[in-house]
Amino acid sequence: AQSVAQPEDQVNVAEGNPLTVKCTYSVSGNPYLFWYVQYPNRGLQFLLKYITGDNLVKGSYGFEAEFNKSQTSFHLKKPSALVSDSALYFCAVRDIRVTGGGNKLTFGTGTQLKVEL
Amino acid sequence: DARVTQTPRDKVTEMGQEVTMRCQPILGHNTVFWYRQTMMQGLELLAYFRNRAPLDDSGMPKDRFSAEMPDATLATLKIQPSEPRDSAVYFCASGPGQGETEAFFGQGTRLTVV
Repeated sequence: AQSVAQPEDQVNVAEGNPLTVKCTYSVSGNPYLFWYVQYPNRGLQFLLKYITGDNLVKGSYGFEAEFNKSQTSFHLKKPSALVSDSALYFCAVRDIRVTGGGNKLTFGTGTQLKVEL
Repeated sequence: DARVTQTPRDKVTEMGQEVTMRCQPILGHNTVFWYRQTMMQGLELLAYFRNRAPLDDSGMPKDRFSAEMPDATLATLKIQPSEPRDSAVYFCASGPGQGETEAFFGQGTRLTVV
């Protein structure tokens, strides 16, 4: 079974400082990995994904994530946080070997990011 | 601007009533997901369709929940009878079907059962 862990319920950071939101995963084979963001009363919006290739993936709004196979991690990062980045962030995984009914996206519990002035 | 459309956005109903939530996936997408979001459980996958056929509904309480795709442009999630513990935000998402592609989410239906 595939799973995702986001160990931090909340991350606080000052505007202008770098931010990291942690994610670790577990799959039987190789993963497809995704980050989504959710603003209040909105649906989830796709930020970025890792499929294959370069371990550093760049996405929307200046976010990037680093895939680390040995540590089974896919942490979300941004060099300089903005107050407008405050939102709920979800990491998700899909096992690339699984097709059909098992090819579903499994989400973590989410991390609330709070960026303060 | 292609998007997943969910109706209604908000629904308040009394316990025991039937609730139907609707989703219009993005045109051309052949996979549809239903998720439920609560504070306690986070995002839970309820059902998953590909080419209108249900592939995985193991996350759905079978006695009261049902999910269908009458056609490629409409997915429905029905609860009958509804209970207060069903109060949550229900999201529909669609995707092109390939494993490496992301899912696109609707705005959700906020259900309150009183």
